Amino acid sequence: EPEVTQTPSHQVTQMGQEVILRCVPISNHLYFYWYRQILGQKVEFLVSFYNNEISEKSEIFDDQFSVERPDGSNFTLKIRSTKLEDSAMYFCASKPTLYNEQFFGPGTRLTVL
Amino acid sequence: AQTVTQSQPEMSVQEAETVTLSCTYDTSESDYYLFWYKQPPSRQMILVIRQEAYKQQNATENRFSVNFQKAAKSFSLKISDSQLGDAAMYFCAYSNYQLIWGAGTKLIIKP
Repeated sequence: EPEVTQTPSHQVTQMGQEVILRCVPISNHLYFYWYRQILGQKVEFLVSFYNNEISEKSEIFDDQFSVERPDGSNFTLKIRSTKLEDSAMYFCASKPTLYNEQFFGPGTRLTVL
Repeated sequence: AQTVTQSQPEMSVQEAETVTLSCTYDTSESDYYLFWYKQPPSRQMILVIRQEAYKQQNATENRFSVNFQKAAKSFSLKISDSQLGDAAMYFCAYSNYQLIWGAGTKLIIKP
């Protein structure tokens, strides 16, 4: 069964460094999402992406964040200059049409020191 | 703005018993989807069950069923014959495009 994959599973970085979190959505899916979950807190929407552009983003998704679909298969989230409060689990999700449930990847745990 | 509320931070149930997790939401939309996701300690997000708002019939998936009350904006999850593997965080989520999440309920299964 096809699934969303994410790499790395765990990333440790120093404050101020750039990180790129990678996702490979399910191949025939058209809608892509990033969410984050700070430990012990609720899941928060970051951004949605469709037709090679951002369709919606939350207040969290400020200028430090960017997303890209560089090659038709990968979907990346870049954090330009990480802060301590960026430490969280980051989930990628995709779905084939607007009216399906989202399929989640296993998450990347980001630790900012 | 849409919101999702899960008023039970933690619930416990005896193995083989039935437990109901509560969820309420607020929206002015008439067409939307509701989901229950399970997050075990591995932190993987696993879809348990989905409900389309236009369907009056409550969704069922094996031991999992929902009580969807559209007028009351309530969407509870019933787990029958609870098993040790059901222990996890359970999140209720609302969607008409992006997912809006509740704070989660930690379900403990007592052997």
